[in-house]
Amino acid sequence: SQQGEEDPQALSIQEGENATMNCSYKTSINNLQWYRQNSGRGLVHLILIRSNEREKHSGRLRVTLDTSKKSSSLLITASRAADTASYFCATDAGPNFGNEKLTFGTGTRLTIIP
Amino acid sequence: NAGVTQTPKFRVLKTGQSMTLLCAQDMNHEYMYWYRQDPGMGLRLIHYSVGEGTTAKGEVPDGYNVSRLKKQNFLLGLESAAPSQTSVYFCASSLRGRTDTQYFGPGTRLTVL
Repeated sequence: SQQGEEDPQALSIQEGENATMNCSYKTSINNLQWYRQNSGRGLVHLILIRSNEREKHSGRLRVTLDTSKKSSSLLITASRAADTASYFCATDAGPNFGNEKLTFGTGTRLTIIP
Repeated sequence: NAGVTQTPKFRVLKTGQSMTLLCAQDMNHEYMYWYRQDPGMGLRLIHYSVGEGTTAKGEVPDGYNVSRLKKQNFLLGLESAAPSQTSVYFCASSLRGRTDTQYFGPGTRLTVL
């Protein structure tokens, strides 16, 4: 079963608005990563947050991690048309859960309306 | 710096045919991965390698084989293709493994008829 599940599955907002997507997972993790995938392309790493961190920023991105709720959120501020993409969370549950396995969620499809 | 490249970009096979997908990275990364991406599902790990000459099974290894004869290359083979292997295949590499950023190739879209 998938470790990470994103919510919502799809999100449409006006350009300039903020977009928030969430990721929930089931087991304890070492770290959680967020990736972006433009249509027909490979995934691009956005940000990594470790289990002992609660919040991390990178440009217009803000990621939070709540290990007690086993959830993370990705906030994109002042959205742009170029932010239209699918966003995936990926969790690393450590060596006891499949060695190198990084488990990806099913993604949130974000559409920015100009 | 090309990053991670994949060959070919598209391929159509008939059931039972074989093929090899090539992944190459120029970042001197130790770790390399093959994933498949299917509609409605996240990426699933097929096989991975933690260094030259090593390979290991991932989540969905059946029907696939891999080889890492050179550090920069990671090959994924399908010996007898099946329609269930129709998918988009992504290669990725990483310097320090699952606790580090993974860099992805552009993908190979494979259709098995």
